[in-house]
Amino acid sequence: AQSVAQPEDQVNVAEGNPLTVKCTYSVSGNPYLFWYVQYPNRGLQFLLKYITGDNLVKGSYGFEAEFNKSQTSFHLKKPSALVSDSALYFCAVRVDRDDKIIFGKGTRLHILP
Amino acid sequence: EPEVTQTPSHQVTQMGQEVILRCVPISNHLYFYWYRQILGQKVEFLVSFYNNEISEKSEIFDDQFSVERPDGSNFTLKIRSTKLEDSAMYFCASSSGGFTDTQYFGPGTRLTVL
Repeated sequence: AQSVAQPEDQVNVAEGNPLTVKCTYSVSGNPYLFWYVQYPNRGLQFLLKYITGDNLVKGSYGFEAEFNKSQTSFHLKKPSALVSDSALYFCAVRVDRDDKIIFGKGTRLHILP
Repeated sequence: EPEVTQTPSHQVTQMGQEVILRCVPISNHLYFYWYRQILGQKVEFLVSFYNNEISEKSEIFDDQFSVERPDGSNFTLKIRSTKLEDSAMYFCASSSGGFTDTQYFGPGTRLTVL
């Protein structure tokens, strides 16, 4: 069965420090990987995706993620965290010929001023 | 920037009642989806809809659920006889097409079944 794991329920980072939110996946077939962010009382906002090509993908708000096929990981990173980055982050995967996106349980990112 | 919109933002209903959740997808998108998130749990896929028919559905999407695109802009999810366990946040999403295309999500409708 296809699955996505986000091993951390919460990540705390001081403002200005680099941040990493971890994600690993397990699929049969070619994975298409996504990161979404959810702010309070808002929907899921698309941040970035990996489809093919360069393993490092850049997205909105200065975020980037690195696809690592051997480790089946797609960790989200940002060089310098802002307090406004505090939100709930979801990693997700989609597989060829599947309509659905499979989500991880989410990681709450808390940036400390 | 175009957005997916959903109404209402919060719906409260009695067990056994029918509810209709409404969505307006991004205007040039062809694929439409419903997901739900029970409080404290993962976001789960319910159904996808393309070319006026269901293209994929999950085991959650039983006979109590139905979807419809009644006109050129709206996409609805109907629950015929709500149960307590249907209480969740329901998200609509749309994409322009293809497996590599991004699904854009609406803000959600919080359904509370009493």
